[in-house]
Amino acid sequence: QQPVQSPQAVILREGEDAVINCSSSKALYSVHWYRQKHGEAPVFLMILLKGGEQKGHEKISASFNEKKQQSSLYLTASQLSYSGTYFCGTRWRQAGTALIFGKGTTLSVSS
Amino acid sequence: NAGVTQTPKFRILKIGQSMTLQCTQDMNHNYMYWYRQDPGMGLKLIYYSVGAGITDKGEVPNGYNVSRSTTEDFPLRLELAAPSQTSVYFCASSLQGPGTGELFFGEGSRLTVL
Repeated sequence: QQPVQSPQAVILREGEDAVINCSSSKALYSVHWYRQKHGEAPVFLMILLKGGEQKGHEKISASFNEKKQQSSLYLTASQLSYSGTYFCGTRWRQAGTALIFGKGTTLSVSS
Repeated sequence: NAGVTQTPKFRILKIGQSMTLQCTQDMNHNYMYWYRQDPGMGLKLIYYSVGAGITDKGEVPNGYNVSRSTTEDFPLRLELAAPSQTSVYFCASSLQGPGTGELFFGEGSRLTVL
């Protein structure tokens, strides 16, 4: 089943913070985050493996709570370049499964 | 470094026609994937492959076929095109196994079925 992302859309001014959530109904092995600009291919941001790891990418970080089967992406001091659609992808603990993506969260940052 | 290359970038098909979307990668990745993206629906996995000669179904395989005769190429075949197959198709590859490594995406192929 597709992971559920919230919110569907976020509108920010430059310098503001945002949190995007991703939850799954199945036990997860890993959570991936990608960003896609309009008309372009998705670009990898980070992977979080089971174990509650928190990883960072510039001013973007994420956490993974494997007990709750949830991940959150934190965007701090947002920049215009952060605008785009953010997708979480999840891989279940069951072996042999590939990455399944959520519907995405559209982030719009204005000056 | 070309990465993942998809052809064609744009195509218009008539209902009932068939075509093949080509995907090739030059990173020597064993793992390759096909996703389709419809507005507001995210990326849906169609098929994936863990190596030459090995393929498996994803979330939405109906109406599609794949083959993997070489490490580099992973073509996606559409038989009897239907309007529901109008979408943007992305091919991707990864060095590590499904769900464990970064996906490298091609630029996408925009298909319209009329």
